[in-house]
Amino acid sequence: DIQMTQSPSSLSASVGDRVTITCRASQDISNYLAWFQQRPGKAPKTLIYAASTLQNGAPSRFSGSGSGTDFTLTISSLEAEDFAIYFCQQYKSYPITFGQGTRLEIK
Amino acid sequence: EVQLLESGGGLVQPGGSLRLSCVASGFTFNNYAMTWVRQTPGKGLEWVSSISGSGGSTYYADSVKGRFTISRDNSQNTVYLQLNSLRAEDTTIYYCAKERRATGIDYWGQGTLVTVSS
Repeated sequence: DIQMTQSPSSLSASVGDRVTITCRASQDISNYLAWFQQRPGKAPKTLIYAASTLQNGAPSRFSGSGSGTDFTLTISSLEAEDFAIYFCQQYKSYPITFGQGTRLEIK
Repeated sequence: EVQLLESGGGLVQPGGSLRLSCVASGFTFNNYAMTWVRQTPGKGLEWVSSISGSGGSTYYADSVKGRFTISRDNSQNTVYLQLNSLRAEDTTIYYCAKERRATGIDYWGQGTLVTVSS
C-alpha cells in the first residue's frame, strides 16, 4: 500500500498568513494527488485534484504543486473560514490512501 | 448541481447488518465510479470501497473485505454499501463520493452515521 505522510500534523496561523502543508507519498504517484478540506461537523470538500488543478468552486487562494512523491498545498492569505483540517489523498492505485490530516488552527 | 444523499445508517448490534444507500443527481451517473469513505476514530479518513461506472469492477479495503459489499443500480442512480458482520470498530460516519480516474473524488455526500453497539 502507498503510505501518505502529511506535515505538520497541526499548525497555528493568523488571518492573512501564507500557509504551506506538505504531503509525501511512499512511492511515485505521478500527479494522482488530491487535497480536501474538512470543517468541524461537515463532510470533506475537494480543493485540488491532479496535484495542482483547482476544483470548481474552490477559492483561488488555494494552490497545489508537486509530482512524484512530494506535494504541497498553499493557502496564499488565510481567511477565517479556512481554519479546518486538510487531508491529502493518493488515487494512483488501490487501496486509495489518505494522509493523517493537518489541523489548521487560529493563532 | 451534483448532489449525493446517503441514508441507511443507524444503530445495530455487533454481528448485525445494515445497507447504506447513496442517491446521486446532477451528473450522468453511469459515467462515474463511486466510492465510500469513512471517518476513522482519530478523525482521519479511511477509504472503504469503490465501484466502477458499469459496476463490473469493485475494490475493497482489507479491513472490510469479505464483510462489506458495494453495488450500484444505474437505473436508480444509486450506489449501495451492504455492511455485514459489523464490529464496534465500524462505528463512524460513512461518506459516499463521486470519483473520476483523472480527478479522484470531486464531490462528497453529507455522510450517514453507523453505530455498532449492544
